[in-house]
Amino acid sequence: DAGVTQSPTHLIKTRGQQVTLRCSPKSGHDTVSWYQQALGQGPQFIFQYYEEEERQRGNFPDRFSGHQFPNYSSELNVNALLLGDSALYLCASSLEGHPYEQYFGPGTRLTVT
Amino acid sequence: AQKITQTQPGMFVQEKEAVTLDCTYDTSDPSYGLFWYKQPSSGEMIFLIYQGSYDQQNATEGRYSLNFQKARKSANLVISASQLGDSAMYFCAMSLFDRGSTLGRLYFGRGTQLTVWP
Repeated sequence: DAGVTQSPTHLIKTRGQQVTLRCSPKSGHDTVSWYQQALGQGPQFIFQYYEEEERQRGNFPDRFSGHQFPNYSSELNVNALLLGDSALYLCASSLEGHPYEQYFGPGTRLTVT
Repeated sequence: AQKITQTQPGMFVQEKEAVTLDCTYDTSDPSYGLFWYKQPSSGEMIFLIYQGSYDQQNATEGRYSLNFQKARKSANLVISASQLGDSAMYFCAMSLFDRGSTLGRLYFGRGTQLTVWP
């Protein structure tokens, strides 16, 4: 049973560039949430996707956008990168109606120089 | 507003001893869940244990148990018989179950770094 997978593992970008991160949910899960974890902090909720739509969003600017595909996989896009966007980006998947089962992927570590 | 507080930035425990990691939470919603995750240096967030607000008994999963005191709004994690591999960052998190607008969203604390020494 495949768990949550994310790609790439690491990424280095320059300020002002754009980046796309990818997530495949755990088999059988249909809901994907994205979190940003800055160094030394707990994860912060970015947004959640269900049925290919953004269902809820945390306190992040519009530079952060996403997409969910029919196979439930998801992408996180960040435009006009800032140094402060450097963080570990975590994807979590769950099954609609079962919010108590949330499984995380290994994360993508983004460094903005 | 929902808030999770972990007041111990770091904890040290000797191998084979038990350790308690503290977590308090704040919410006015009656239906919620409390989670503990382990995050090794590799970065992956590993689910350890879950407690629902209406559960009558404290949750247990192997060496992990959750000491849930609803009136005090605390959800401490107890790790029995610590192992060297338990050294990691531990996060307490909460999710609300009655608000459709935030269903499934996890609110995290700042974490506690646990070090197990031989």
